[in-house]
Amino acid sequence: DAGVIQSPRHEVTEMGQEVTLRCKPISGHNSLFWYRQTMMRGLELLIYFNNNVPIDDSGMPEDRFSAKMPNASFSTLKIQPSEPRDSAVYFCASSQIRDGSSYEQYFGPGTRLTVT
Amino acid sequence: KNQVEQSPQSLIILEGKNCTLQCNYTVSPFSNLRWYKQDTGRGPVSLTIMTFSENTKSNGRYTATLDADTKQSSLHITASQLSDSASYICVVSAWGAAGNKLTFGGGTRVLVKP
Repeated sequence: DAGVIQSPRHEVTEMGQEVTLRCKPISGHNSLFWYRQTMMRGLELLIYFNNNVPIDDSGMPEDRFSAKMPNASFSTLKIQPSEPRDSAVYFCASSQIRDGSSYEQYFGPGTRLTVT
Repeated sequence: KNQVEQSPQSLIILEGKNCTLQCNYTVSPFSNLRWYKQDTGRGPVSLTIMTFSENTKSNGRYTATLDADTKQSSLHITASQLSDSASYICVVSAWGAAGNKLTFGGGTRVLVKP
């Protein structure tokens, strides 16, 4: 298995531009998570999906951020318009949740976003 | 407010030595506690997951302990190797109406020197 796949690995964009990050979860997993990591704030959960449905989006910073999961094998995180403070590493993770408790999460390699 | 505090923030140890990382939490209602290892430039990798009833769990040279009464966990690294240089993140999960809610510690950065 290729693991969780994220693209692009690096993104540099100018303030005000739209940014779209992509994630392909591990085949057969029913849950997908988007995280953001910065030196100042550490790792933060932005949103997670279960069976393609957003379950908890309370971590999404503001309306500039949106996430979709049109099918079980693809998700996007969009920032529009982007701002310099959005610069961070964005991770996608997937898991197979059965009993809702102790599930393993498998992280992708991350997308390093720089907004100038 | 749910919080996870890790200590120390960073530490340097010599190859072959042991070390222990601490994690204190105030997360309720408790579901499980995880330790992750994150190498520089990579995503976190799960080391252990412990539920309320588990006191200790090992994964190779990594041993995690959990004291649910005092709300403390530790991660012990035995006979450290250069490849153990990484950040170690403690994550505590709470039961919630919208599924488990995760609270992340700030991590401990470990540097193993030859």
